Amino acid sequence: DAGVTQSPTHLIKTRGQQVTLRCSPKSGHDTVSWYQQALGQGPQFIFQYYEEEERQRGNFPDRFSGHQFPNYSSELNVNALLLGDSALYLCASSLRLVTEYGYTFGSGTRLTVV
Amino acid sequence: GDSVTQMEGPVTLSEEAFLTINCTYTATGYPSLFWYVQYPGEGLQLLLKATKADDKGSNKGFEATYRKETTSFHLEKGSVQVSDSAVYFCALLTSGTYKYIFGTGTRLKVLA
Repeated sequence: DAGVTQSPTHLIKTRGQQVTLRCSPKSGHDTVSWYQQALGQGPQFIFQYYEEEERQRGNFPDRFSGHQFPNYSSELNVNALLLGDSALYLCASSLRLVTEYGYTFGSGTRLTVV
Repeated sequence: GDSVTQMEGPVTLSEEAFLTINCTYTATGYPSLFWYVQYPGEGLQLLLKATKADDKGSNKGFEATYRKETTSFHLEKGSVQVSDSAVYFCALLTSGTYKYIFGTGTRLKVLA
């Protein structure tokens, strides 16, 4: 049973560019959340998608946007990249907004902005 | 707002030593509490959880007890192994929200 799959695993972009990260949730899961983990820090919540709608959002600017597809997979888009956007981006899936039993996390996409 | 504070690392122990990683929290309401573990190059894995006061979560020899009176959820293991070397994150989830609040993580290094 495949867990959460993220692509690409590593990415290097230039300031001002745009990037799209992709996530396929664990089989049977319908909710996808995105987190940003800066080096040496804990993950910070970006937003969560369920039924193709953004359900909750953390303290991130509008440059960060997302989408969920009918097959529950998700994309994270970041526009006008800044050096400070360099981080590990984690996707996590769960079932029907139920989070108290824990998420299943992917291995992440390491984004470097130069 | 809600927050989680973990002891700073790195924590370096010899194999079979006793482990404690401190975690305290600030939250409105009655949060659920979690410990996640992150091995090098991997995502986070749920280690254990507790959803109400006095609950004890346990898994793979690790334990943590939800202490409401001290707002703590300290992680313990009686005898660590080299394979336990990883970064450990304490996290909370406040009732009615869908987002975790994570601590900054504590790196554990176990020497043979």
